[in-house]
Amino acid sequence: KNQVEQSPQSLIILEGKNCTLQCNYTVSPFSNLRWYKQDTGRGPVSLTIMTFSENTKSNGRYTATLDADTKQSSLHITASQLSDSASYICVVSPMFSGGYNKLIFGAGTRLAVHP
Amino acid sequence: ETGVTQSPTHLIKTRGQQVTLRCSSQSGHNTVSWYQQALGQGPQFIFQYYREEENGRGNFPPRFSGLQFPNYSSELNVNALELDDSALYLCASRGGYTDTQYFGPGTRLTVL
Repeated sequence: KNQVEQSPQSLIILEGKNCTLQCNYTVSPFSNLRWYKQDTGRGPVSLTIMTFSENTKSNGRYTATLDADTKQSSLHITASQLSDSASYICVVSPMFSGGYNKLIFGAGTRLAVHP
Repeated sequence: ETGVTQSPTHLIKTRGQQVTLRCSSQSGHNTVSWYQQALGQGPQFIFQYYREEENGRGNFPPRFSGLQFPNYSSELNVNALELDDSALYLCASRGGYTDTQYFGPGTRLTVL
């Protein structure tokens, strides 16, 4: 079973609309949870990072939330733009990863913003 | 731009061949990690190098090997290529006291 599950797998919205992407994880304990944006054929770029003690973090039109009790995180995108079309990946860093920075990636949600 | 570069951008090989992918880290970063990303999947951790030594490895066979050089640039070598090795290969560097990784644009490997 994947330790980081994301939903939906894909999403289509109209430009200007809001959307929320979900991430459920079983990794425990963890040191931080990140959301990355990955444009097609490019490397992931960090959007937000939250430690286990934080429950919200914003970066412009992107707002991430974290509920460590239910092991859920969400990424809310406000007033979507065409350039938001990309894959959004939830990434969890285990607390004890054997001395190296092992990240556990979800499969991502592919977002398409249409005019 | 993250300051991490990878070469080549695309590569086509045939089954059984060997391939070397290269990564140039962001300036000052002494740790580099390599990931394999199959189509429609999240990246899977291959291994990590810190100051020229491997210090972590994911569930990949020994035919996946690597090197890190004194200038912290890195190589990923894959021997005896298989069709399932077709993927986007990403390297990520980090340094100092931050655990934020900066990803390169990736190398798209196709094995025929």
